[in-house]
Amino acid sequence: EDQVTQSPEALRLQEGESSSLNCSYTVSGLRGLFWYRQDPGKGPEFLFTLYSAGEEKEKERLKATLTKKESFLHITAPKPEDSATYLCAGTGGSTLGRLYFGRGTQLTVWP
Amino acid sequence: EAGVAQSPRYKIIEKRQSVAFWCNPISGHATLYWYQQILGQGPKLLIQFQNNGVVDDSQLPKDRFSAERLKGVDSTLKIQPAKLEDSAVYLCASSLGVAGANTGELFFGEGSRLTVL
Repeated sequence: EDQVTQSPEALRLQEGESSSLNCSYTVSGLRGLFWYRQDPGKGPEFLFTLYSAGEEKEKERLKATLTKKESFLHITAPKPEDSATYLCAGTGGSTLGRLYFGRGTQLTVWP
Repeated sequence: EAGVAQSPRYKIIEKRQSVAFWCNPISGHATLYWYQQILGQGPKLLIQFQNNGVVDDSQLPKDRFSAERLKGVDSTLKIQPAKLEDSAVYLCASSLGVAGANTGELFFGEGSRLTVL
């Protein structure tokens, strides 16, 4: 069964304290691994797509990496405005186009 | 560039009533999706359209949910009759290509929050 699992469920960081969010997947024939940011009451906002193991992408304080079994979202020196829920999703194989989302990691960055 | 538009933003109905949600995707996006997000969970695909046609509706509860995409642009999602467990946010998304292809990034609207009493 295609599935995406995220950990931890919640993470509290002090401003400037770097950390990583984990996304493990069992999506057969993975064709894309997506990271989204979701603020309360809003729709998910696209961050990155990773297509193959070893790929890395960066945007400001965020860096996403992909291995054959999991993806990491590294947050370097976070600021309070980085507080949000971060969602990971995968698509692949015969269900190309259908994104399987994890439950998300709720990140809180305090000053 | 205008984003994905959805309406209404909020809707409260009683069980067994009906409700409809509307979505206008980003101009030029061929693929349109409806996702259901229950509180505390990640979004779950209900239906995917490629232009006018349905590509994937395997997770759509067809006894009560229906969706259509008019002229390959706007879409409506209808629930009739609603159940308590349908309380959720209904997210519309669009993409230039199919998710997993190079132009497959999904762009989401702000969602329509449904409460069924």
